[in-house]
Amino acid sequence: SQTIHQWPATLVQPVGSPLSLECTVEGTSNPNLYWYRQAAGRGLQLLFYSVGIGQISSEVPQNLSASRPQDRQFILSSKKLLLSDSGFYLCAWRGSLLELFGPGTRLTVT
Amino acid sequence: QKEVEQNSGPLSVPEGAIASLNCTYSDRVSQSFFWYRQYSGKSPELIMSIYSNGDKEDGRFTAQLNKASQYVSLLIRDSQPSDSATYLCAVGTSGTYKYIFGTGTRLKVLA
Repeated sequence: SQTIHQWPATLVQPVGSPLSLECTVEGTSNPNLYWYRQAAGRGLQLLFYSVGIGQISSEVPQNLSASRPQDRQFILSSKKLLLSDSGFYLCAWRGSLLELFGPGTRLTVT
Repeated sequence: QKEVEQNSGPLSVPEGAIASLNCTYSDRVSQSFFWYRQYSGKSPELIMSIYSNGDKEDGRFTAQLNKASQYVSLLIRDSQPSDSATYLCAVGTSGTYKYIFGTGTRLKVLA
């Protein structure tokens, strides 16, 4: 069965600091992977999606970036965090019949 | 701008009643429709998907799709306190990897 791991689970970072969130998937190969952000009281916002190693599509042209260095690894990064980057960050895998979200990282930018 | 609209709630129903959650979408070419359940502080969990007009039943859950009217609904029969959560509607378009999510409806089932 498929499993998604995300870390860290929670993070408190000052404005202007860098960010690196990691997502790994087990139990499948060449998965379609997604990064979403859910701000308080708002819906899920798609940030990036990837259909393969090195293939990243960006939906949000802000201070965030994503990379996929390995088939089952997806990384979300920022060089300088903004207050508006606070939220619940979710990695998701989507197969032909199944879909799974990771446990999420709750980021608070202070 | 493609949109998915949901009433934020909370929708309160007594235990054992039918809970009815609704969602409307703006993109007429949408092909796939999904309902997710999200408990407070947790990640969403896919509970239903529907692709054709009509009803689709899975246990106590029934998804209903009406493409002409551009709405999709979720019925939860015999509602239980454990069903209390936020329900997210998502809509996808054929040929894309992207789903548009609504902001969710908070459901409270009262014991």
